[in-house]
Amino acid sequence: GESVGLHLPTLSVQEGDNSIINCAYSNSASDYFIWYKQESGKGPQFIIDIRSNMDKRQGQRVTVLLNKTVKHLSLQIAATQPGDSAVYFCAFGSDRGSTLGRLYFGRGTQLTVWP
Amino acid sequence: ETGVTQTPRHLVMGMTNKKSLKCEQHLGHNAMYWYKQSAKKPLELMFVYSLEERVENNSVPSRFSPECPNSSHLFLHLHTLQPEDSALYLCASSQGQRMNTEAFFGQGTRLTVV
Repeated sequence: GESVGLHLPTLSVQEGDNSIINCAYSNSASDYFIWYKQESGKGPQFIIDIRSNMDKRQGQRVTVLLNKTVKHLSLQIAATQPGDSAVYFCAFGSDRGSTLGRLYFGRGTQLTVWP
Repeated sequence: ETGVTQTPRHLVMGMTNKKSLKCEQHLGHNAMYWYKQSAKKPLELMFVYSLEERVENNSVPSRFSPECPNSSHLFLHLHTLQPEDSALYLCASSQGQRMNTEAFFGQGTRLTVV
């Protein structure tokens, strides 16, 4: 079956530091990868995505890195702020076949930012 | 606000009750989804509707019954649930069946079965 894992269930960082959240996946046929942020009491919110033909994509204070050789995805948050405290999920999907439209989610990493 | 609204936000029901969860999206999307989020588990896709037609039923027990009367509304009818069905139920919508940057989640309904 499909699986998406995270190396650490929790991550604590000091405000202003950079955060790196990691994710491992098993399906080499995935076409796109997404990071979601879920704050307490809210649904997941899209942060950034990357397609399988890219290895890096940058957004505002966030960077996603994709290493297809080792099936590893990471989310880097620059100058982490208290408002970044949330659970972060990685997910991947495919444009093809029977899994079209289906997203596979990891279990999530709880990021806590200390002042 | 994400444009996807779920009601109620919290629901407590007995195992013999019948209740319904409602989801409404104001984004003009044509695909809607139900996900189940349990503690310490990945999000589980339950149902997918595309153009009001169910395109996926991910081996969900029959005590969960979805309904999509139009492209803006999605319901999840619940009956004779079990305590292990207690979870956060999330609705999402997207333009097209593929979920990517266009996917938006509601805030969820926290369901407790007693």
